[in-house]
Amino acid sequence: DAGVTQSPTHLIKTRGQQVTLRCSPKSGHDTVSWYQQALGQGPQFIFQYYEEEERQRGNFPDRFSGHQFPNYSSELNVNALLLGDSALYLCASSPGIRGKNNYGYTFGSGTRLTVV
Amino acid sequence: GQQLNQSPQSMFIQEGEDVSMNCTSSSIFNTWLWYKQEPGEGPVLLIALYKAGELTSNGRLTAQFGITRKDSFLNISASIPSDVGIYFCAGQRFRATSGTYKYIFGTGTRLKVLA
Repeated sequence: DAGVTQSPTHLIKTRGQQVTLRCSPKSGHDTVSWYQQALGQGPQFIFQYYEEEERQRGNFPDRFSGHQFPNYSSELNVNALLLGDSALYLCASSPGIRGKNNYGYTFGSGTRLTVV
Repeated sequence: GQQLNQSPQSMFIQEGEDVSMNCTSSSIFNTWLWYKQEPGEGPVLLIALYKAGELTSNGRLTAQFGITRKDSFLNISASIPSDVGIYFCAGQRFRATSGTYKYIFGTGTRLKVLA
């Protein structure tokens, strides 16, 4: 049973460019959340997708956008990259979004984005 | 963005020693989780706590949900070299308007075990 898979694993981009990161959730999971983890920090919540809609959003600018597909996979897009966007981007999936489905997330290994 | 406060930030211990770390918040959470992250990997869930005062164990790991619901503790007994990593706490935040939840993570405790 594959867990959460993310691609690519590493990426180097130039300031001002755009990037798309991809995530396939764990089998049986329908909710995908994205986190940004800067070096030496804990993960920071970017946004969450369920039923192909953004359900919650953290304190990130509109340059960060996302999408969820009918098969529950998701993309994170970042426009006009800044040096400060360099981080590990983690995708996490969970089985459901409402009520008592609070079993925590299953994380992928992340995409390491370096902006130069 | 908001992060929970963890202490200590880092610690070096001898193999066989017990380890304690904690996590505090200015607001209440209804669920606390503890994760471990190793280099090049995403965080892996260790323990989940669902009720104030709850004490839960997973092998050599024991975690407690603080009575005030604003803190949690993680203890590791008889540490071994493979316990090395970064330990994160996470609190669940429920949004009533959408009926959805998300997790707020702590700043992390970096553990190094000396053989």
